[in-house]
Amino acid sequence: KNEVEQSPQNLTAQEGEFITINCSYSVGISALHWLQQHPGGGIVSLFMLSSGKKKHGRLIATINIQEKHSSLHITASHPRDSAVYICGGQTSGSRLTFGEGTQLTVNP
Amino acid sequence: EAGVTQFPSHSVIEKGQTVTLRCDPISGHDNLYWYRRVMGKEIKFLLHFVKESKQDESGMPNNRFLAERTGGTYSTLKVQPAELEDSGVYFCASSQVRQYTQYFGPGTRLTVL
Repeated sequence: KNEVEQSPQNLTAQEGEFITINCSYSVGISALHWLQQHPGGGIVSLFMLSSGKKKHGRLIATINIQEKHSSLHITASHPRDSAVYICGGQTSGSRLTFGEGTQLTVNP
Repeated sequence: EAGVTQFPSHSVIEKGQTVTLRCDPISGHDNLYWYRRVMGKEIKFLLHFVKESKQDESGMPNNRFLAERTGGTYSTLKVQPAELEDSGVYFCASSQVRQYTQYFGPGTRLTVL
């Protein structure tokens, strides 16, 4: 069992829908990262959380330390949001342990 | 401010050949990380440099992989000899000392035929 689990693995939505991607972790972490990987392969760091909630544009990330759970929400989704979304827990030292990613497809 | 850069963006080599990947971190970032994503699997940690020293290399798969960071600036990751299972996307990330946020490079897609 992976130390960081994401769900769903694949998600298809219609443009405008509200999207939620979940991340659960089974180890102690110092911070939780959400990353975005576009079809070209490059990775962009979206959020780094150690508590509470962060918002950037249409993206919102929350974390519940007690429940070891984080969510990434996308409001008013758009086809350009189509990408793989990856959560990563910062564990021992400063290395990141990642989930397998969620492939999001937003159809027009 | 320039971000993390990686070279090359793509590399296609034959089994048994040698490939060297390069990562230039953000200027002033002492922490440098290498990660790898093999097809269908999660991104996995390879190693962590603090300046020129290897802080943690527990993720290196075997001795065919050699990472260096001479002078504490850019880093190279050499695979010699490459095997089919080494195919994947190799990412580099950097961060400042005692900062959690890691800035990722665009990755190098390695294909071993």
